[in-house]
Amino acid sequence: AAGVIQSPRHLIKEKRETATLKCYPIPRHDTVYWYQQGPGQDPQFLISFYEKMQSDKGSIPDRFSAQQFSDYHSELNMSSLELGDSALYFCASSPSARFRTDTQYFGPGTRLTVL
Amino acid sequence: QQPVQSPQAVILREGEDAVINCSSSKALYSVHWYRQKHGEAPVFLMILLKGGEQKGHEKISASFNEKKQQSSLYLTASQLSYSGTYFCGTEVWGAQKLVFGQGTRLTINP
Repeated sequence: AAGVIQSPRHLIKEKRETATLKCYPIPRHDTVYWYQQGPGQDPQFLISFYEKMQSDKGSIPDRFSAQQFSDYHSELNMSSLELGDSALYFCASSPSARFRTDTQYFGPGTRLTVL
Repeated sequence: QQPVQSPQAVILREGEDAVINCSSSKALYSVHWYRQKHGEAPVFLMILLKGGEQKGHEKISASFNEKKQQSSLYLTASQLSYSGTYFCGTEVWGAQKLVFGQGTRLTINP
């Protein structure tokens, strides 16, 4: 069965640089979630999209922005990177979830290292 | 707002049982359970919905006490493959997100 695809899988950046993470949801899933997970921590919700519109927002820094495109893939843009941004970034997708959260299927993650 | 999981860690021998608890201070619409192995993505195990609907995993079960905003995950006759960190994710009505607990690290020894 098709799964969530994330690219790149690993990314190394310098402080103050920018990064773009991409997520391709499972076919026919129109809801996308982004999470940040630091070492030994739980996944922290950043932002979600339903039908290309932002549906909820968590502890996402102002330096980060995201969007969902017409083909339902999503991109997380991170600017002015800081050392503390080093983490695993997961994207998850779920079937239509207009007012509630259905089962979320996680992608393999992008490991971002900021030097 | 973050749910509280207990215990934080548990060590079992293969074949033993375990219970992991998740408690929230907010009224919940659903509770989702995931297992994550080191460096990998969380894998969906179970979802429990307000009203009693339950979807699940063949050898793992769970309960959801809506009045107490608590859920428990039951792993019976544990296998080595059950090792990992278990997270509960809680959902309140109208919020399209999950808030995860701090995780319970489960170690299964032969």
